[in-house]
Amino acid sequence: QKEVEQDPGPLSVPEGAIVSLNCTYSNSAFQYFMWYRQYSRKGPELLMYTYSSGNKEDGRFTAQVDKSSKYISLFIRDSQPSDSATYLCAHRYSGAGSYQLTFGKGTKLSVIP
Amino acid sequence: SQTIHQWPATLVQPVGSPLSLECTVEGTSNPNLYWYRQAAGRGLQLLFYSVGIGQISSEVPQNLSASRPQDRQFILSSKKLLLSDSGFYLCAWCGGPNQPQHFGDGTRLSIL
Repeated sequence: QKEVEQDPGPLSVPEGAIVSLNCTYSNSAFQYFMWYRQYSRKGPELLMYTYSSGNKEDGRFTAQVDKSSKYISLFIRDSQPSDSATYLCAHRYSGAGSYQLTFGKGTKLSVIP
Repeated sequence: SQTIHQWPATLVQPVGSPLSLECTVEGTSNPNLYWYRQAAGRGLQLLFYSVGIGQISSEVPQNLSASRPQDRQFILSSKKLLLSDSGFYLCAWCGGPNQPQHFGDGTRLSIL
């Protein structure tokens, strides 16, 4: 079983829609969770970073973590064409020496004007 | 604020030629540094990471190597490139354990 599973899409939505992006993971030792946005030919950009179960909101973006189900989500409200990108979830272990991230393969999102 | 620079942005090299990609970080000290390769449909693959000058950990055996000659400089090298080395190479840094990583804009490497 892969450590992180992410639906690759592509996902196409109309402008203004609510987008839901999801990842599941198998290792309960993961304690820190991130979402990155990656535009074509650019490096990933950190969107959200959380270590708690529950919701974390930042503008139009909400990250949701359910550690009991090993499931994380990213919601985008009022989606815009500029949100068209690939979204990567990432996880890491806690504690000293936990230098590595485990990434999902990314979901490609297109927001159609 | 912290910034990370990678160059070149694009590189085309013949098989068997050497490689040197450079990454520098500004605005922080003693960062953890990382080299990743991203191939289409395969996600991000960690190649090397470094927690200090001269300290390099390798994750994947291959014909690539990394060096950290200065605190905020990370170099990815190869003596002889293979066709399979083509890809998008990303450098990243973080402030320490339990901190998120921040990425540069990458180098797209094509081997002919």
